This record gives sequence, C-alpha cells and structure tokens, in this order.
Amino acid sequence: DAGVIQSPRHEVTEMGQEVTLRCKPISGHDYLFWYRQTMMRGLELLIYFNNNVPIDDSGMPEDRFSAKMPNASFSTLKIQPSEPRDSAVYFCASSSRTGGEETQYFGPGTRLLVL
Amino acid sequence: SQELEQSPQSLIVQEGKNLTINCTSSKTLYGLYWYKQKYGEGLIFLMMLQKGGEEKSHEKITAKLDEKKQQSSLHITASQPSHAGIYLCGADGVDSGYALNFGKGTSLLVTP
Repeated sequence: DAGVIQSPRHEVTEMGQEVTLRCKPISGHDYLFWYRQTMMRGLELLIYFNNNVPIDDSGMPEDRFSAKMPNASFSTLKIQPSEPRDSAVYFCASSSRTGGEETQYFGPGTRLLVL
Repeated sequence: SQELEQSPQSLIVQEGKNLTINCTSSKTLYGLYWYKQKYGEGLIFLMMLQKGGEEKSHEKITAKLDEKKQQSSLHITASQPSHAGIYLCGADGVDSGYALNFGKGTSLLVTP
C-alpha cells in the first residue's frame, strides 16, 4: 500500500495568493483528517470527514480555510487568501473504524511558507 | 477540552542508555497513541493502548497506560541513533470524536 499521499510536499507563496493542498487517503479508509502543525501550537485538528462528509470543522481557523472531499480517494484543503500566519506543516491522515482498526495513518505533510 | 502534557520537552541521551517519555492527560484516556516523527516526514505509528494497565512492546520500545488511564509512558531500552526524532502522544477523548488531541511532543537526540 502506498500510504497516505499528499501534494505538494513544499509550497512557497506570497500573501494573498490561493493555496490548495491535496490528499489521497489509504484505499478503503472511510475517515480523513486534516491537521496543522506549528512550533507554537503543536499538532491541531482542522477538520475531519467520514464517508466524504465533513463531521467536525471546528478547528478550521476562519472562512479563509475550506476543505472538500469530492470522493473517497481525494480531498483538498484550500486557503484563500493566504497569510503569513498560515505558514505551517499540514498533515492529512486516514483511518478505518471497521474491524477494530482505528489507527490514523499520516501522510508526509505539506510544508507551507507564506511570505 | 482534553489536554495532553508531555515531559520532558527534549532529551539528549548517549547511545546505549535507557530513557522514558511521559504523557499525562487532563481527562480519562479512551485510546492513547504513540507516534514518532522525523524532520520533514510524517508521523509514524508506534503503538496504541486502550486498557488500564496495558503494556505493549515493539523492538526496544515499550509503552504503558496506567490503571487510571490518565498517564502513559514510553520507554526505550538501549537507545540507538535511529531512535532520534520527535515522539508524540495522541488521544481519543470524549470531546474529540474520532480525531486525536496531541501533546506538544518530546524531541529526542541520541549521541554516539
């Protein structure tokens, strides 16, 4: 299995630009999570989906952030417009709650720098 | 909301030495996960504990969950340079649904 795939791995953009991060979960997993990691706040949940439906988006910072999951194998996290304080590592993780397997498996992350 | 506190924040040990990292929760733990992260990489799953008193081992790493299910420890025996990285504990909590709350991490450096 290829694991969770994220792209791009690195993104450098200027303030005000739109940024789109992409995630392909592990095949067969029905939960997908987006986390953000910073030095100050550590690893924080932004939003998670179950069967492509957003369940909890209380961690999304503000309206500039949006996430979609159009199908079971693809999700996007979009920031528009981006700001320097959005600079962080964004992780996607997936899991399955069937068969007692609940572990979340993480992708390699996208390192975002907003200038 | 549930908070996880890890100690120490950072650790430097000599190769071959044993070490312990602690994770303390402000609320009862329903599932406690240990992950390892190397710079520039994602989180690698190590172990998951659910039952009070449970202990699991993988190679030279042992994790325990105390009887009251509010504290977990990760113990590395005879540390090696390959053990270096950031260790994070994550927890299922009553108020987090299926998402995980994470501690801030413990940075481990193993010197030759």
